[in-house]
Order: sequence, then structure tokens, then C-alpha cells
Amino acid sequence: GAVVSQHPSWVICKSGTSVKIECRSLDFQATTMFWYRQFPKQSLMLMATSNEGSKATYEQGVEKDKFLINHASLTLSTLTVTSAHPEDSSFYICSASDRGRGGYTEAFFGQGTRLTVV
Amino acid sequence: AQSVSQHNHHVILSEAASLELGCNYSYGGTVNLFWYVQYPGQHLQLLLKYFSGDPLVKGIKGFEAEFIKSKFSFNLRKPSVQWSDTAEYFCAVLYNQGGKLIFGQGTELSVKP
Repeated sequence: GAVVSQHPSWVICKSGTSVKIECRSLDFQATTMFWYRQFPKQSLMLMATSNEGSKATYEQGVEKDKFLINHASLTLSTLTVTSAHPEDSSFYICSASDRGRGGYTEAFFGQGTRLTVV
Repeated sequence: AQSVSQHNHHVILSEAASLELGCNYSYGGTVNLFWYVQYPGQHLQLLLKYFSGDPLVKGIKGFEAEFIKSKFSFNLRKPSVQWSDTAEYFCAVLYNQGGKLIFGQGTELSVKP
């Protein structure tokens, strides 16, 4: 299957700082990328959907000014957690898909990023 | 609202028992359906997927799932589980209208040797 690379795999940052997480589709063009948050022993909660060249669509309850998403190209989307607080500590996962004339293709997942805010 | 529901939170089975995990989704037009597995400490792996055609799909490791359109269901099955199947299983639905990939709550499967 196609490869989605997420970087970094883990990051520790101080409270109040910002952290940027990158999600790249290595061998296909991802017109759509999804960003999820996963708490321990829980499911993946969709945070936002980003389409290349347009603003991301955020799910209800997700602060768009805190979780900045940029999808500037067909192979790269970034999630920036601004002014991070300990409660933002979580596992963040990106997924990429391509929407063709026949509809969406399979979604491919990155390895995830473990964010710890101290 | 688009949503995915998995009926079982935690399933405990003995080895060689048969498995069926339920998954239902809300109506939302054309969908693509997936089952993922997450082993402890690892990231998601795709077990199987349904896009169109034969509603009975076979995946890796002996898993299969049946899409029943009239019931909005996509249940996962395995005739005989093994201890190594112990993991978290997630059903996911990609809604073509709106383009959202929504996950169910997950089912933790514990297989006793």
C-alpha cells in the first residue's frame, strides 16, 4: 500500500510553546488528509479534515485557533499545536486519501506522534 | 450526523472460538468501509476493506467481513481465533459525501490461550 510518513514520532515540549507535526504522502497525491487524536485505550477522534488548497474543516469542539492545519501541497499537511498545555498531551495520527472521479481511495495512516507537554 | 457504532467494548474468547464483532454506521450516501487492528504499542494496520462488488470481503490473517447495505452493517468475523489476535479492533467508514473518515469506538479482543 501507499506510504504516509509522520514526523516526529514523539515530542516533548514545555507548556506554552508550539509544536508542529508533519504528515507526508510519499508515493501518492493526497487530496485529503485527516487528523486524529487518540487517548489511551480509546478510539481515534477525528479532529479535522484538510483538503489541499483550502481551509481545513474542524469537528465540533476542536479549537481551530489552537490546532492549526495547513495543507499546502498534495503531499504535505501540517498540524501545529499552539500554546500547548499538559491536557494537549496525546497521540496524534494523520491519514491521507486521494479523491478521484470514482470517489475516495483507501486511507493510509502515518505512524502517529506522541506529544507530551510538561 | 455521520457516526459509526461498534457494539462490543470488550470481548473475551478462548482460542479456537469463533469471533464476530459488530459495526453499524449511520446513513450518509456512498461509503467505503474498513476494519483496522491495533496491537499493543503499535499503530493501525488494515485488516480488510470494502469499496464495491462482492459484499463478503476477505482480509489478512483469516478475517472476513460482510457488508449488509440494508442494515448499514459491516461485521467482522473469524472462524477460529488465536492468542495472537489479542488487540484492539476498529471499524471505520469513509463517507464520500463530505469526505470524512469516521472511526467506531473500538473493541478490545482478549483471547485466552
